[in-house]
Amino acid sequence: KAGVTQTPRYLIKTRGQQVTLSCSPISGHRSVSWYQQTPGQGLQFLFEYFSETQRNKGNFPGRFSGRQFSNSRSEMNVSTLELGDSALYLCASSLTDYSNQPQHFGDGTRLSIL
Amino acid sequence: SQQGEEDPQALSIQEGENATMNCSYKTSINNLQWYRQNSGRGLVHLILIRSNEREKHSGRLRVTLDTSKKSSSLLITASRAADTASYFCATANDYKLSFGAGTTVTVRA
Repeated sequence: KAGVTQTPRYLIKTRGQQVTLSCSPISGHRSVSWYQQTPGQGLQFLFEYFSETQRNKGNFPGRFSGRQFSNSRSEMNVSTLELGDSALYLCASSLTDYSNQPQHFGDGTRLSIL
Repeated sequence: SQQGEEDPQALSIQEGENATMNCSYKTSINNLQWYRQNSGRGLVHLILIRSNEREKHSGRLRVTLDTSKKSSSLLITASRAADTASYFCATANDYKLSFGAGTTVTVRA
């Protein structure tokens, strides 16, 4: 069974630009979550999608948004990039419930803002 | 916000020794999960222990949960170089999952 796939693995952008990250969950998994990981803040929850609906949301500004498609694939968008958005963005999938079932993580997208 | 806090922040042990790390949290939980992260990779799920469970095993891993003390421990027995990684606890409450800052474990050959 293929694992969680995130693309691209590395991305370099400049301040003010926007970026879209992609995540393909494990086949059959309907819950997809996104996290931001930085050395200073650790792992911060961004949002969780289930059946194309955002079910949970962390404390991030509206510049961070996401969506989920009918095949459970998910995208995350960050607009008006700031230097502080430099981070490893991780996507995770679980069968139906991200908080009560094991999550399977992708290897992340490393985003660097210049 | 991070609810779980791991202790110690870093741990260095000799191959073959046991490694123990602890996780403390503040509010009631539905379950507590442990994950491992190798450098530059995503997290790997290790064990999920529910609030009504006290101990779980998986291979060389042993997790205990004490809800009265709001704490959990992860024991890795007979450590190997491949166990070198960061270990995170995550607490689940009200359909939210919060990760701690992690314990960095280095296993010396």
